[in-house]
Amino acid sequence: AQKITQTQPGMFVQEKEAVTLDCTYDTSDPSYGLFWYKQPSSGEMIFLIYQGSYDQQNATEGRYSLNFQKARKSANLVISASQLGDSAMYFCAMREARIGGATNKLIFGTGTLLAVQP
Amino acid sequence: DAGVTQSPTHLIKTRGQQVTLRCSPKSGHDTVSWYQQALGQGPQFIFQYYEEEERQRGNFPDRFSGHQFPNYSSELNVNALLLGDSALYLCASSLDGYSNQPQHFGDGTRLSIL
Repeated sequence: AQKITQTQPGMFVQEKEAVTLDCTYDTSDPSYGLFWYKQPSSGEMIFLIYQGSYDQQNATEGRYSLNFQKARKSANLVISASQLGDSAMYFCAMREARIGGATNKLIFGTGTLLAVQP
Repeated sequence: DAGVTQSPTHLIKTRGQQVTLRCSPKSGHDTVSWYQQALGQGPQFIFQYYEEEERQRGNFPDRFSGHQFPNYSSELNVNALLLGDSALYLCASSLDGYSNQPQHFGDGTRLSIL
């Protein structure tokens, strides 16, 4: 069965420092996608970054980068130069791609609560 | 460009009642997925609609049902509400055939069961 594991319930980081949020996954499908979402206390889920299973390079989006280690089945999110506004819940999610590219469900981890301290 | 919109934002019901939640997808999207997020948990997939049909379903009882309209908007219906149905219900939209594109989420509907 597909599964996402986030082992850090909460993390603290000083403003302007970098932080890594861990994510490991389990799937038997060779084609899959990995996503990170940010959820502030208001509730909306904000897409941050995507990594495809066949992508050769690690994904980057501004201050966000994804440390993708396929053999270890890990997809850690790195946030550089943390800001106070980064304080939120962060979810790692996986989607398995079907033949024909049909959109599939997202499987989420339990999340990591990040607190950025001034 | 309007994103995903959900209504209502908050709802209070009592056990045994029925509820309907609504979702309008992001412009250009044709697929709608619904998720239930209990307090302190990650979202759990309920079902997905495409071309007005339920395409995939998660591990939720038949009390949870849905519908997709020709304009791609969607409804989630829950019958015989239980206390355990209290959660944030999230709607997400996407474009079929573009599996490397993210699902876009609405702000959710917070449902409280008394």
